[in-house]
Amino acid sequence: GENVEQHPSTLSVQEGDSAVIKCTYSDSASNYFPWYKQELGKGPQLIIDIRSNVGEKKDQRIAVTLNKTAKHFSLHITETQPEDSAVYFCAAIPRSNDYKLSFGAGTTVTVRA
Amino acid sequence: DVKVTQSSRYLVKRTGEKVFLECVQDMDHENMFWYRQDPGLGLRLIYFSYDVKMKEKGDIPEGYSVSREKKERFSLILESASTNQTSMYLCASSSPHLLAAPWNEQFFGPGTRLTVL
Repeated sequence: GENVEQHPSTLSVQEGDSAVIKCTYSDSASNYFPWYKQELGKGPQLIIDIRSNVGEKKDQRIAVTLNKTAKHFSLHITETQPEDSAVYFCAAIPRSNDYKLSFGAGTTVTVRA
Repeated sequence: DVKVTQSSRYLVKRTGEKVFLECVQDMDHENMFWYRQDPGLGLRLIYFSYDVKMKEKGDIPEGYSVSREKKERFSLILESASTNQTSMYLCASSSPHLLAAPWNEQFFGPGTRLTVL
C-alpha cells in the first residue's frame, strides 16, 4: 500500500514569513495529492490538491508543488497569518484505489505574532 | 452547507463496554469513512463503506466493526472497548463521481474524543 511521510512534525514561524511542509510517497502509481488543514476542535478540511499531471498549483497564499520523479510534494504558505496556525496533513491516493486516502502524520504549524 | 455530524464530541467508557459512534452526512455521498487520529500517527483508516450495507477494512480494523443500514448513516462499533482504543475518532464522507468538485474531497465531522478507562 501507499506510505506517506511528512516533515517536519512541528513548525513555528513568525507572522509574515513563509512555511513549507514536505511529504514523500512510496507508490509511483499515486496520482492525486490533497492537503488538509485541521483547526482546533474541528475536523480536517481540504485546502488545496494537485494531480500527477501538474507540477504546481496556487491558490492565493498557498501553493503545492509535485516532483513525480522524486516522489515528493510540498505545501508552501506565504505571508503567514495567525489564522494559518493549525495541523496540516498531506495525503495521496494510489491509482489502484480511487477512494481511500493515505495520510501523512501531520505538521503542527504555529504562527507567532 | 455540507455537513457531517457525529453523535458525541466527548465520550468516556469503561473497559469491556460496547461502544457505538454514530455519523450522519447530509450530502447524499456514497462513500463514508471512519478514521482514528493519534498524535504522531496522523489519520489511520479503520473502515470504509462505498454503499449501503457494503464495507471494506481499512488499515487498522482489529477491534472494530461498522454498520451502514442507510446511505446517510455510518456507525462504528467497539465490541469490547479497551484502553488502547482511547483516541480521537473522525468520520468522513465523499462522492466517487468524476464530476464532483473537487474530485474525491473528503468532508470530515468534528470528531469524537473517546476515553476508555
